[in-house]
Amino acid sequence: DAGVIQSPRHEVTEMGQEVTLRCKPISGHNSLFWYRQTMMRGLELLIYFNNNVPIDDSGMPEDRFSAKMPNASFSTLKIQPSEPRDSAVYFCASRGSYEQYFGPGTRLTVT
Amino acid sequence: GENVEQHPSTLSVQEGDSAVIKCTYSDSASNYFPWYKQELGKGPQLIIDIRSNVGEKKDQRIAVTLNKTAKHFSLHITETQPEDSAVYFCAASDNDYKLSFGAGTTVTVRA
Repeated sequence: DAGVIQSPRHEVTEMGQEVTLRCKPISGHNSLFWYRQTMMRGLELLIYFNNNVPIDDSGMPEDRFSAKMPNASFSTLKIQPSEPRDSAVYFCASRGSYEQYFGPGTRLTVT
Repeated sequence: GENVEQHPSTLSVQEGDSAVIKCTYSDSASNYFPWYKQELGKGPQLIIDIRSNVGEKKDQRIAVTLNKTAKHFSLHITETQPEDSAVYFCAASDNDYKLSFGAGTTVTVRA
């Protein structure tokens, strides 16, 4: 099993640009999570999908952030427009039963 | 919501010694307590978890204890090795998906 796959691994963009992060969960897992990790705030849950349906998006910081899961094997997190304070590592995780398995993350830098 | 506090923030141990990390949680309804290990440049990896109906769980050199009355749980690593050097996160959950993470403990094993 390849585990959770995320792309790109690193993204550097200028303020105001659109950023799209991608995730492929582990096959057979029916839950998907997007997290953000910063030194100041630690690991924060942004959004949770179950069976491709967004269940909890209370962690999404503002309207500039949006997430989609068009099918069981793909999800995107989009930031438009991006701001320097969005710089962080973004993780995708998937779950089959209780355990959440994290991807390697995307390090986003907004200049 | 759930609040998880983790101590210490940094821990340095001699190779072969034991390491102990402690976490407290605020929500008495929490019933699932995983521990994650995060190496530099990688996503958090689940190393052990415990549910509220169990007081202790062991997996080779790693053990976790849970005291529901006091609302605290601990990670014990025995016979530490250099590859145990990483950041460790505790987490707690009172439902089937939302994990509240501690701030992390940076463990350094000195050879």
